[in-house]
Amino acid sequence: NAGVTQTPKFRILKIGQSMTLQCAQDMNHNYMYWYRQDPGMGLKLIYYSVGAGITDKGEVPNGYNVSRSTTEDFPLRLELAAPSQTSVYFCASSKTRYHTNTQYFGPGTRLTVL
Amino acid sequence: AQSVAQPEDQVNVAEGNPLTVKCTYSVSGNPYLFWYVQYPNRGLQFLLKYITGDNLVKGSYGFEAEFNKSQTSFHLKKPSALVSDSALYFCAVRDLPSGAGSYQLTFGKGTKLSVIP
Repeated sequence: NAGVTQTPKFRILKIGQSMTLQCAQDMNHNYMYWYRQDPGMGLKLIYYSVGAGITDKGEVPNGYNVSRSTTEDFPLRLELAAPSQTSVYFCASSKTRYHTNTQYFGPGTRLTVL
Repeated sequence: AQSVAQPEDQVNVAEGNPLTVKCTYSVSGNPYLFWYVQYPNRGLQFLLKYITGDNLVKGSYGFEAEFNKSQTSFHLKKPSALVSDSALYFCAVRDLPSGAGSYQLTFGKGTKLSVIP
């Protein structure tokens, strides 16, 4: 199986534009997550989902929206892009909610907002 | 609140020498600790985790980590470094979910490991 996949790999946006970052997993994981990674920083959780139709905010949700219509897909939407959203975005998934469970990460989307 | 500290931004080690990447943590309950590795332009890959039991945890690619509760540390180690081990290493901690359910992994800032031939 492919694991966690993300598209696109790279994107440049102008301020005020919108876009959707795609994430899909084929491991039948219930839990999915979006993180952003800024230079010299660890990953920060943006949103997470515990199953189809259920999402919740993480540490840094402002400026983003998510939806989860299927188990496999968890897109992240940027409505009005701002330079502060320049970052690398990682999607991850895990089988269960238990804190012992390992999260598996996609390859990332590198976004630049100019 | 949970937190993780990786005190070294960069670690340089000669190929064949042992390596250590340091991590300390703070949690209110029992810690669940993870190490991830990130190669250039790639996503994070799981290396190993500590949940309970033996303080020495063995993981992928010959890595191991030692959990020390009294020092609140979870240092990553390898007996003999390879040039291919050069990458960014992240320590992460997870506490018990609270409130509506917080499933957040808290990551350290990362340590860049350079193995010199």
